[in-house]
Amino acid sequence: KAGVTQTPRYLIKTRGQQVTLSCSPISGHRSVSWYQQTPGQGLQFLFEYFSETQRNKGNFPGRFSGRQFSNSRSEMNVSTLELGDSALYLCASSSDAGEKPYEQYFGPGTRLTVT
Amino acid sequence: QKEVEQDPGPLSVPEGAIVSLNCTYSNSAFQYFMWYRQYSRKGPELLMYTYSSGNKEDGRFTAQVDKSSKYISLFIRDSQPSDSATYLCAMSAGGGFKTIFGAGTRLFVKA
Repeated sequence: KAGVTQTPRYLIKTRGQQVTLSCSPISGHRSVSWYQQTPGQGLQFLFEYFSETQRNKGNFPGRFSGRQFSNSRSEMNVSTLELGDSALYLCASSSDAGEKPYEQYFGPGTRLTVT
Repeated sequence: QKEVEQDPGPLSVPEGAIVSLNCTYSNSAFQYFMWYRQYSRKGPELLMYTYSSGNKEDGRFTAQVDKSSKYISLFIRDSQPSDSATYLCAMSAGGGFKTIFGAGTRLFVKA
């Protein structure tokens, strides 16, 4: 079974721009969660989508948004980028993260650098 | 105060040492306790999980949960250079609630 894939792997953007990151979950998984990882804050939860509906949301500003498609693929978007948005963005796939929180499989992440 | 506290380290030990990694938490609703390992340029991968209190052993790894003290530990016996990675604790109440991660502890095992 193929693992979680994230594209692109690396991205450099300028402050004020917007960016879209993509995540393809493991086949058959309907839950996709997004996390931001930085050296100072660790892994912080952004949001979770299950069957195209946002089921959970973390404490991030409205500039961070996401969506999930009918094939369970997910995208997250960050508008009006700030320097502090530089981070590793991780996507995690699960059959149902709500019922089995231990059953999350992470992708390799997208490294976003904002200059 | 963060819901989950984890010392970021780094922690450096000689090969063969016993490693102890710890996290404390404040939310008494947490029922699932996970440990993830993350190598450089990779996503985290699940090492072990425990439901509620108690111990769990898997090879050289032992996870302990003390809910009365809100304290969890991961022990690595006979540590190897290949164990060098960042170890993240994670917790969830289950039932659709989100998973909260610690900041991660960087471990270096020297040959």
